[in-house]
Amino acid sequence: AQTVTQSQPEMSVQEAETVTLSCTYDTSESDYYLFWYKQPPSRQMILVIRQEAYKQQNATENRFSVNFQKAAKSFSLKISDSQLGDAAMYFCAYRRMYSGTYKYIFGTGTRLKVLA
Amino acid sequence: NAGVTQTPKFQVLKTGQSMTLQCAQDMNHEYMSWYRQDPGMGLRLIHYSVGAGITDQGEVPNGYNVSRSTTEDFPLRLLSAAPSQTSVYFCASSYLARLDMNTEAFFGQGTRLTVV
Repeated sequence: AQTVTQSQPEMSVQEAETVTLSCTYDTSESDYYLFWYKQPPSRQMILVIRQEAYKQQNATENRFSVNFQKAAKSFSLKISDSQLGDAAMYFCAYRRMYSGTYKYIFGTGTRLKVLA
Repeated sequence: NAGVTQTPKFQVLKTGQSMTLQCAQDMNHEYMSWYRQDPGMGLRLIHYSVGAGITDQGEVPNGYNVSRSTTEDFPLRLLSAAPSQTSVYFCASSYLARLDMNTEAFFGQGTRLTVV
């Protein structure tokens, strides 16, 4: 069965600095999706970035980028120029690309604090 | 475009009471699912559906029922509430896996349920 591990329950970063959140996963599949979701205090789950496993290029969305290492099964999120509004819980998620179940599997989350 | 509409946002139940959490989406997504979020445990899948008339159990299905009579709606029923069901519940929907199509999950705003 697939699993997703976020080994950092909590991280802190100074405003304007860069922080990297770690995520590893375990799968025997070759085609899948990976996601990072942000959950601010409002509780809303917001997609930050997505990566298709068949694409070698790392995804980037403005200040957010990923380091996708397929062989190592690693999918870290880098936040550059951190802002106070980035403070939230961040979840890494995995989903098989072709599947009869189409389940999303989530990690346990990393709480990011941004210090002014 | 409303996205995923989940109601209510808050609910307090007494042990043994039943209730239904409502979820509706207007994006014509085939896949709909219910998660519960508990501290330190991430999001755990309760039930999911890949289309009208088709439902299946997730990771933690006991005590919950679902049905999918239409593409748009996917209600979650608590049959006899227990304190262990105190949690935050999320409904999510997405397209099934398709190449070059966004397949991220869209989430409702969540329901904070307390069972006393």
